[in-house]
Amino acid sequence: RKEVEQDPGPFNVPEGATVAFNCTYSNSASQSFFWYRQDCRKEPKLLMSVYSSGNEDGRFTAQLNRASQYISLLIRDSKLSDSATYLCVVNMNNYGQNFVFGPGTRLSVLP
Amino acid sequence: EAQVTQNPRYLITVTGKKLTVTCSQNMNHEYMSWYRQDPGLGLRQIYYSMNVEVTDKGDVPEGYKVSRKEKRNFPLILESPSPNQTSLYFCASSPTGVGANVLTFGAGSRLTVL
Repeated sequence: RKEVEQDPGPFNVPEGATVAFNCTYSNSASQSFFWYRQDCRKEPKLLMSVYSSGNEDGRFTAQLNRASQYISLLIRDSKLSDSATYLCVVNMNNYGQNFVFGPGTRLSVLP
Repeated sequence: EAQVTQNPRYLITVTGKKLTVTCSQNMNHEYMSWYRQDPGLGLRQIYYSMNVEVTDKGDVPEGYKVSRKEKRNFPLILESPSPNQTSLYFCASSPTGVGANVLTFGAGSRLTVL
């Protein structure tokens, strides 16, 4: 089993749609969780950190379920500019660093 | 501006010709890491460093070397490049300590080995 798994995608959605991405991780001792966005062949950039209580940033909402070892990202009112690959990233070591990347889920928002 | 700088951004070389990809960060981060990204395989860690003079292997270290003589620099060395090292390479850094430490990436270096 891979350490971090994501929906395989791709997701093709019309503008204005709501889309949800799922991610599961295998190490129950994992401490920090993130969603990164990567545009084609460019560097990954932090979209948002994911906190236990859940957090929202504009149209983006992230949730964490430690009991199920599950992270989600919800994008509301999709824009063409949201088209990208979304990477689930888990840091499996709180003081040291052990960042593990999911394979990514590609989103295409269509006009 | 806080950033991670990689050079060169693009390089075409031939098998066996030693090359170095430089990485520098200006955020005083302890942790630095190198990744390669290939189609269908996602980001894979090559080497990482927790601090000066402390380096360790990641998932795919074969054919690569690194050094960390200064906190800000973490060069990736390919002593004898081969075509299977053709890839997109990213350097990244983060602070360490308790909490959600965010990785900041460089813009990437696209390497082609003929």
